[in-house]
Amino acid sequence: RKEVEQDPGPFNVPEGATVAFNCTYSNSASQSFFWYRQDCRKEPKLLMSVYSSGNEDGRFTAQLNRASQYISLLIRDSKLSDSATYLCVVTLYGGSQGNLIFGKGTKLSVKP
Amino acid sequence: NAGVTQTPKFQVLKTGQSMTLQCAQDMNHEYMSWYRQDPGMGLRLIHYSVGAGITDQGEVPNGYNVSRSTTEDFPLRLLSAAPSQTSVYFCASSYADLASTGELFFGEGSRLTVL
Repeated sequence: RKEVEQDPGPFNVPEGATVAFNCTYSNSASQSFFWYRQDCRKEPKLLMSVYSSGNEDGRFTAQLNRASQYISLLIRDSKLSDSATYLCVVTLYGGSQGNLIFGKGTKLSVKP
Repeated sequence: NAGVTQTPKFQVLKTGQSMTLQCAQDMNHEYMSWYRQDPGMGLRLIHYSVGAGITDQGEVPNGYNVSRSTTEDFPLRLLSAAPSQTSVYFCASSYADLASTGELFFGEGSRLTVL
């Protein structure tokens, strides 16, 4: 069975905190990895891709560990506006949407 | 910029009724799909299409039909609504090379309640 596992949270953190989420995947044939963000009662939107060498986008850092089959998302200096659910997404072979697997999401709540 | 447009945004049905959720995209994307999102279940793929005239089943296709007569439109039909189909439905589209870009463009969602 194709699976992508995430800690559902919620993660409740104060403004300015650093928070990290992990996501594990079961299929070693997984090819590409992404983090999406979904605000309450809104549609998911791509946050960032996850590259083998790790990558940063401002306060956000994504890491991939193929050997242990997990990806991570680190958010530094948390803002109130970071409150959302973060979805881990994995693609298997090929680019078809049929091979795109979503995790159930990790909820983050940043408090003043 | 319209992007992916879904209608209706809200709908209440009675058990046994049928309806169609409309989805249109103006980005000339080849790939389109329908997901449902339920609490604690995450996004689950219902049907998807890799181009006009081509559709395939996803993880939870039962009770739903799709067709793709044009690149722009990908309607989802509920044949005989059941309470288990109460959910939030998202239509999404993407360029063909999803594995590289990873970017699905979602509509704003359609909240369906079946009584």
